[in-house]
Amino acid sequence: AQSVSQHNHHVILSEAASLELGCNYSYGGTVNLFWYVQYPGQHLQLLLKYFSGDPLVKGIKGFEAEFIKSKFSFNLRKPSVQWSDTAEYFCAVNAGYSTLTFGKGTMLLVSP
Amino acid sequence: GAGVSQSPSNKVTEKGKDVELRCDPISGHTALYWYRQSLGQGLEFLIYFQGNSAPDKSGLPSDRFSAERTGGSVSTLTIQRTQQEDSAVYLCASRQSGGLDFTGEQYFGPGTRLTVT
Repeated sequence: AQSVSQHNHHVILSEAASLELGCNYSYGGTVNLFWYVQYPGQHLQLLLKYFSGDPLVKGIKGFEAEFIKSKFSFNLRKPSVQWSDTAEYFCAVNAGYSTLTFGKGTMLLVSP
Repeated sequence: GAGVSQSPSNKVTEKGKDVELRCDPISGHTALYWYRQSLGQGLEFLIYFQGNSAPDKSGLPSDRFSAERTGGSVSTLTIQRTQQEDSAVYLCASRQSGGLDFTGEQYFGPGTRLTVT
C-alpha cells in the first residue's frame, strides 16, 4: 500500500525566510504527486501537482516542488514566505488507485 | 461556479445516536470521495464513488459507517451508533473525470465537524 510521510509536523518561520517542507512516499511505480494547502477557516485547495515531464513544478503563490524519483521525494519550497502563507500543508500521492493518500500535514506559522 | 457543499457544517450528537452527513459535489463531477480529518492524523480516505457505485470502500472504519450516492450527484455518509472516536471533520471531494483517469484535481468541500459527546 502507498504511504506518505511528512517530516515536519510544525514549522515556525519569520517573514522572508525560505521554506522547505519534506515529503516522502512509498511506492515503486508511476505516481502522481500533489501538495494541498488549508488556510485557517478555508477549504483544502490544490497548491501544485506533478504528473509527468519536468520534475520541477511551479504552483500558485510562488510555491514550487521538485520530484526526485530516486529519493521518492516531493519537497515543497518557497524562497521567501509571507505571513499569509500561514496554513496547514498536505502532501498527497496517487499511485494508480482511485484515491489520494495524504500525509499527516505540516502546520506552518509565519510570524510577521 | 458553485463548489462542493456540505451540510451541516457542524453537528453535535450524543453517543449512540445515528448521524447523516450530506455532500453536494460540483455539477458534472462523476467521482466523489469522502475523507475524515482528525487532529494530527491528516486525511483518512473513507470511500470513493464513481457515478452511483462505490468501487472502493476500503477506508470505512467499521460497519457502522455507510454511504450512498443517488442520481450521480448528492452523497450521504451515515454513521450509526456514533462513538466518541468518530469525532472528526468529514470532508467530501469531487473530481470531473472518472474511469481509469485519476489525474484530475479533487475539489474539496468545507467539511462537517462532527462532535460526539
